[in-house]
Amino acid sequence: NAGVTQTPKFQVLKTGQSMTLQCAQDMNHEYMSWYRQDPGMGLRLIHYSVGAGITDQGEVPNGYNVSRSTTEDFPLRLLSAAPSQTSVYFCASSYAGTGGAFFGQGTRLTVV
Amino acid sequence: QKEVEQDPGPLSVPEGAIVSLNCTYSNSAFQYFMWYRQYSRKGPELLMYTYSSGNKEDGRFTAQVDKSSKYISLFIRDSQPSDSATYLCAMLSNDYKLSFGAGTTVTVRA
Repeated sequence: NAGVTQTPKFQVLKTGQSMTLQCAQDMNHEYMSWYRQDPGMGLRLIHYSVGAGITDQGEVPNGYNVSRSTTEDFPLRLLSAAPSQTSVYFCASSYAGTGGAFFGQGTRLTVV
Repeated sequence: QKEVEQDPGPLSVPEGAIVSLNCTYSNSAFQYFMWYRQYSRKGPELLMYTYSSGNKEDGRFTAQVDKSSKYISLFIRDSQPSDSATYLCAMLSNDYKLSFGAGTTVTVRA
Protein backbone atom coordinates (compact mmCIF):
# COMPACT_ATOMS: atom_id res chain seq x y z
CA ASN A 1 0.00 0.00 0.00
CA ALA A 2 1.25 3.44 -0.91
CA GLY A 3 -0.92 5.18 1.73
CA VAL A 4 -1.14 8.94 1.08
CA THR A 5 0.94 10.21 -1.82
CA GLN A 6 1.64 13.89 -2.38
CA THR A 7 3.23 15.48 -5.41
CA PRO A 8 5.38 17.42 -5.94
CA LYS A 9 7.71 17.22 -2.92
CA PHE A 10 9.20 20.65 -3.60
CA GLN A 11 7.99 23.64 -5.59
CA VAL A 12 9.09 27.23 -6.13
CA LEU A 13 6.50 29.63 -7.51
CA LYS A 14 6.57 33.26 -8.49
CA THR A 15 4.02 35.60 -6.95
CA GLY A 16 0.79 35.46 -8.92
CA GLN A 17 1.35 32.02 -10.41
CA SER A 18 -1.17 29.26 -9.88
CA MET A 19 -0.55 25.59 -9.27
CA THR A 20 -2.16 22.40 -8.03
CA LEU A 21 -0.81 20.20 -5.26
CA GLN A 22 -1.82 16.62 -5.81
CA CYS A 23 -2.93 14.16 -3.12
CA ALA A 24 -3.99 10.56 -3.61
CA GLN A 25 -4.82 7.79 -1.13
CA ASP A 26 -5.39 4.11 -1.71
CA MET A 27 -7.05 3.19 1.61
CA ASN A 28 -10.64 3.97 0.57
CA HIS A 29 -10.89 6.64 3.27
CA GLU A 30 -13.92 8.91 3.13
CA TYR A 31 -12.25 11.82 4.90
CA MET A 32 -9.41 13.82 3.34
CA SER A 33 -7.92 17.12 4.39
CA TRP A 34 -5.21 19.65 3.66
CA TYR A 35 -3.06 21.36 6.27
CA ARG A 36 -0.29 23.89 6.19
CA GLN A 37 2.50 23.82 8.74
CA ASP A 38 4.39 26.95 9.68
CA PRO A 39 7.04 27.33 12.41
CA GLY A 40 5.48 27.75 15.85
CA MET A 41 1.93 27.42 14.54
CA GLY A 42 1.44 23.69 14.25
CA LEU A 43 -0.85 22.27 11.58
CA ARG A 44 -3.69 24.47 10.41
CA LEU A 45 -6.62 23.05 8.47
CA ILE A 46 -7.15 24.59 5.03
CA HIS A 47 -9.97 22.52 3.50
CA TYR A 48 -11.45 19.11 4.12
CA SER A 49 -13.82 16.63 2.51
CA VAL A 50 -16.02 13.96 4.06
CA GLY A 51 -16.62 12.21 0.75
CA ALA A 52 -16.66 12.59 -3.01
CA GLY A 53 -18.48 15.75 -4.05
CA ILE A 54 -18.41 17.25 -0.54
CA THR A 55 -15.88 19.84 0.60
CA ASP A 56 -15.77 22.44 3.35
CA GLN A 57 -13.51 25.16 4.64
CA GLY A 58 -11.13 24.85 7.52
CA GLU A 59 -9.33 27.46 9.57
CA VAL A 60 -7.28 29.12 6.77
CA PRO A 61 -9.08 28.62 3.41
CA ASN A 62 -8.41 31.97 1.72
CA GLY A 63 -6.36 31.71 -1.47
CA TYR A 64 -6.97 27.97 -1.84
CA ASN A 65 -9.51 25.91 -3.71
CA VAL A 66 -10.34 22.19 -3.57
CA SER A 67 -12.55 19.66 -5.27
CA ARG A 68 -13.25 15.98 -4.62
CA SER A 69 -14.45 14.17 -7.72
CA THR A 70 -13.26 10.72 -6.58
CA THR A 71 -12.69 9.03 -3.22
CA GLU A 72 -8.99 8.67 -3.97
CA ASP A 73 -7.97 12.19 -5.02
CA PHE A 74 -8.13 15.56 -3.29
CA PRO A 75 -6.13 18.25 -5.13
CA LEU A 76 -5.39 21.65 -3.61
CA ARG A 77 -5.23 24.64 -5.94
CA LEU A 78 -3.40 27.85 -5.24
CA LEU A 79 -5.23 30.45 -7.27
CA SER A 80 -2.68 33.29 -7.26
CA ALA A 81 0.37 32.47 -5.16
CA ALA A 82 1.53 34.96 -2.52
CA PRO A 83 4.69 34.93 -0.36
CA SER A 84 2.42 34.33 2.69
CA GLN A 85 1.62 30.92 1.22
CA THR A 86 5.22 29.79 1.61
CA SER A 87 4.80 26.76 3.85
CA VAL A 88 4.85 22.99 4.09
CA TYR A 89 1.59 21.46 2.96
CA PHE A 90 0.31 18.12 4.21
CA CYS A 91 -2.54 16.01 2.93
CA ALA A 92 -4.19 13.50 5.24
CA SER A 93 -6.89 10.85 5.03
CA SER A 94 -8.90 8.85 7.54
CA TYR A 95 -12.14 7.01 8.05
CA ALA A 96 -14.84 9.61 8.69
CA GLY A 97 -15.64 10.10 12.34
CA THR A 98 -12.25 8.97 13.60
CA GLY A 99 -9.12 10.99 14.21
CA GLY A 100 -6.54 8.44 13.19
CA ALA A 101 -5.34 10.30 10.11
CA PHE A 102 -2.60 9.12 7.80
CA PHE A 103 -0.42 11.88 6.43
CA GLY A 104 1.54 12.27 3.23
CA GLN A 105 5.18 13.29 3.25
CA GLY A 106 4.44 16.92 2.51
CA THR A 107 5.05 19.49 -0.22
CA ARG A 108 7.51 22.27 0.54
CA LEU A 109 6.32 25.36 -1.29
CA THR A 110 8.24 28.59 -1.64
CA VAL A 111 6.64 31.65 -3.22
CA VAL A 112 9.08 34.33 -4.28
CA GLN B 1 -7.39 31.99 22.45
CA LYS B 2 -6.51 28.90 20.46
CA GLU B 3 -8.70 25.83 20.95
CA VAL B 4 -5.67 23.65 21.66
CA GLU B 5 -2.68 24.85 23.65
CA GLN B 6 0.45 22.74 23.88
CA ASP B 7 3.45 23.24 26.16
CA PRO B 8 5.92 24.81 23.70
CA GLY B 9 9.19 23.26 24.81
CA PRO B 10 11.73 22.45 23.53
CA LEU B 11 12.58 19.61 25.87
CA SER B 12 16.02 18.06 26.20
CA VAL B 13 16.35 14.96 28.38
CA PRO B 14 19.00 12.29 28.98
CA GLU B 15 18.48 8.82 27.61
CA GLY B 16 16.32 6.73 29.94
CA ALA B 17 14.41 9.70 31.39
CA ILE B 18 10.63 10.04 31.40
CA VAL B 19 9.29 12.60 28.94
CA SER B 20 6.06 14.37 29.84
CA LEU B 21 4.10 16.29 27.20
CA ASN B 22 0.91 18.25 27.86
CA CYS B 23 -1.96 19.92 26.06
CA THR B 24 -5.04 21.77 27.22
CA TYR B 25 -8.17 22.49 25.22
CA SER B 26 -11.22 24.69 25.44
CA ASN B 27 -13.74 23.01 23.09
CA SER B 28 -16.04 20.62 24.96
CA ALA B 29 -17.08 19.10 21.60
CA PHE B 30 -13.73 17.34 21.19
CA GLN B 31 -14.39 13.60 21.32
CA TYR B 32 -11.19 11.92 20.18
CA PHE B 33 -7.69 12.67 21.38
CA MET B 34 -4.49 11.79 19.60
CA TRP B 35 -0.75 12.17 19.74
CA TYR B 36 1.31 12.34 16.58
CA ARG B 37 5.07 12.10 16.21
CA GLN B 38 6.83 14.03 13.47
CA TYR B 39 10.44 13.49 12.53
CA SER B 40 12.29 16.30 10.81
CA ARG B 41 11.12 16.88 7.21
CA LYS B 42 8.57 14.05 7.44
CA GLY B 43 4.80 13.86 7.75
CA PRO B 44 3.18 13.32 11.17
CA GLU B 45 2.51 9.71 12.16
CA LEU B 46 -0.16 8.59 14.58
CA LEU B 47 1.26 7.44 17.90
CA MET B 48 -1.66 7.16 20.31
CA TYR B 49 -5.43 7.43 19.97
CA THR B 50 -8.07 7.52 22.68
CA TYR B 51 -11.63 8.72 23.19
CA SER B 52 -12.26 8.34 26.90
CA SER B 53 -10.90 9.79 30.10
CA GLY B 54 -8.22 7.71 31.75
CA ASN B 55 -4.94 6.14 30.73
CA LYS B 56 -4.01 4.14 27.64
CA GLU B 57 -0.71 2.34 27.43
CA ASP B 58 1.22 1.15 24.40
CA GLY B 59 4.69 -0.10 25.16
CA ARG B 60 6.74 2.79 26.52
CA PHE B 61 4.00 5.31 25.72
CA THR B 62 1.08 6.28 27.98
CA ALA B 63 -1.66 8.68 26.91
CA GLN B 64 -3.72 10.30 29.62
CA VAL B 65 -6.99 12.17 29.13
CA ASP B 66 -8.86 14.19 31.75
CA LYS B 67 -12.04 15.50 30.13
CA SER B 68 -13.24 17.26 33.27
CA SER B 69 -10.08 19.39 33.32
CA LYS B 70 -9.75 19.48 29.49
CA TYR B 71 -6.22 18.23 29.71
CA ILE B 72 -4.27 15.49 27.91
CA SER B 73 -0.77 14.20 28.44
CA LEU B 74 1.70 11.84 26.82
CA PHE B 75 4.39 10.08 28.82
CA ILE B 76 7.38 8.36 27.26
CA ARG B 77 9.19 5.98 29.60
CA ASP B 78 12.82 4.91 29.18
CA SER B 79 13.30 7.50 26.44
CA GLN B 80 15.66 6.67 23.58
CA PRO B 81 17.55 8.90 21.13
CA SER B 82 15.18 7.57 18.44
CA ASP B 83 12.33 9.30 20.32
CA SER B 84 13.82 12.67 19.37
CA ALA B 85 11.08 14.31 17.32
CA THR B 86 8.29 16.86 17.48
CA TYR B 87 5.16 15.62 19.23
CA LEU B 88 1.79 17.05 18.29
CA CYS B 89 -1.44 16.65 20.22
CA ALA B 90 -4.62 16.61 18.16
CA MET B 91 -8.33 16.55 18.89
CA LEU B 92 -11.34 15.69 16.77
CA SER B 93 -14.67 17.42 17.15
CA ASN B 94 -18.03 16.07 16.03
CA ASP B 95 -17.83 18.06 12.77
CA TYR B 96 -14.83 15.97 11.67
CA LYS B 97 -12.29 18.77 12.07
CA LEU B 98 -8.92 17.88 13.56
CA SER B 99 -7.34 20.62 15.66
CA PHE B 100 -3.63 20.42 16.43
CA GLY B 101 -1.40 21.85 19.10
CA ALA B 102 1.68 23.76 17.95
CA GLY B 103 3.99 20.86 18.82
CA THR B 104 6.77 20.19 21.33
CA THR B 105 10.24 19.32 20.08
CA VAL B 106 11.94 16.65 22.19
CA THR B 107 15.64 15.80 22.11
CA VAL B 108 16.86 12.69 23.93
CA ARG B 109 20.59 12.90 24.58
CA ALA B 110 22.61 9.69 24.41
